[in-house]
Amino acid sequence: DAGVTQSPTHLIKTRGQQVTLRCSPKSGHDTVSWYQQALGQGPQFIFQYYEEEERQRGNFPDRFSGHQYPNYSSELNVNALLLGDSALYLCASSFGRYQETQYFGPGTRLLVL
Amino acid sequence: AQSVSQHNHHVILSEAASLELGCNYSYGGTVNLFWYVQYPGQHLQLLLKYFSGDPLVKGIKGFEAEFIKSKFSFNLRKPSVQWSDTAEYFCAVNAVDTGFQKLVFGTGTRLLVSP
Repeated sequence: DAGVTQSPTHLIKTRGQQVTLRCSPKSGHDTVSWYQQALGQGPQFIFQYYEEEERQRGNFPDRFSGHQYPNYSSELNVNALLLGDSALYLCASSFGRYQETQYFGPGTRLLVL
Repeated sequence: AQSVSQHNHHVILSEAASLELGCNYSYGGTVNLFWYVQYPGQHLQLLLKYFSGDPLVKGIKGFEAEFIKSKFSFNLRKPSVQWSDTAEYFCAVNAVDTGFQKLVFGTGTRLLVSP
């Protein structure tokens, strides 16, 4: 039973560029959430997708956008990268629209130079 | 808005010592509570969770946590730690009555267990 997978594992970009991160949820899960984990901090909620729609959004600017596909996989897009966007980006999956346990992937480490 | 405080940022223990990591949250409504662990080089894994019922919950690897509603606390405990427990531990809360699954995490506690 495959867990949550993310790609790529590492990424280096320069300021102003755009990046796309990808996530495949755990088998049987249909809800995907994205979190940003800065160095020395706990994960911070970016947004959540269910039924291909953004259900809830955290305190992140519009430069952060996402998408969910019919197979429940998801993408996180960040435009106009800033140095402060350097972080570990975590994808978590769960089942259903209500309170359920979220299972995390290994993350994508993004470095913005 | 919800917030989570983990007061111990770094903890160093010897093997066989007892562990208690503090977690306090601020939210007046119904909550689900979680402890996640991140071992070196690995991804976040669920240790245990509280949704309802018995406030003393048991998780994997001998960990347990007690939900004390009056204190807004969900402290993690283990009677005897092992070197393999060296990891970073995160407490997280979900506000049930919002109808959403957003997790709010604490800043984490780094535990180092010396052999």
